[in-house]
Amino acid sequence: KNEVEQSPQNLTAQEGEFITINCSYSVGISALHWLQQHPGGGIVSLFMLSSGKKKHGRLIATINIQEKHSSLHITASHPRDSAVYICAADTGNQFYFGTGTSLTVIP
Amino acid sequence: GAVVSQHPSRVICKSGTSVKIECRSLDFQATTMFWYRQFPKKSLMLMATSNEGSKATYEQGVEKDKFLINHASLTLSTLTVTSAHPEDSSFYICSAERGRNYGYTFGSGTRLTVV
Repeated sequence: KNEVEQSPQNLTAQEGEFITINCSYSVGISALHWLQQHPGGGIVSLFMLSSGKKKHGRLIATINIQEKHSSLHITASHPRDSAVYICAADTGNQFYFGTGTSLTVIP
Repeated sequence: GAVVSQHPSRVICKSGTSVKIECRSLDFQATTMFWYRQFPKKSLMLMATSNEGSKATYEQGVEKDKFLINHASLTLSTLTVTSAHPEDSSFYICSAERGRNYGYTFGSGTRLTVV
């Protein structure tokens, strides 16, 4: 069993839809990261969470420490949001990465 | 498949010495490798992108002469922290791109402590 499980693996949405990507982890963490990668590009860090909720533009990330679960939400999705989204559990000593969610937003 | 091995996982070195971190793709050829750094209580920061056989492309603010990156083969990239100082203490992670349609695989990271 992987230390970090992400779902769904693939997601296709119509422009404007509300999108949720889920991440569950089994390790103790100092932080949970949400990362974005566009094809051919490096990783962009979206959020680093240790509790509660963070918002940046149309992106919202939440974490429930007791349930060891985090969600990434995208409101009013746009084709430029098409990318792979990865959650990573940061134990303070090591990172454990989810396998990523490939999101395609159709105009 | 698609395993990236990063070594060492932890290293402690004295100020002024150099440290080499290796990133190997074990079962695929990595066209591009990326090096990241995490500052304490901060998220990941991209340091540089390296393509096999060519010079690395460094992000703004990253010192090329301090963080030497060599991508000598399609399965190996190295990051050498030269003349290390305590402020270089950080968590360094590499990732390797197998090809545009295959995504990225991360190493497990290297904790560098400079004393």
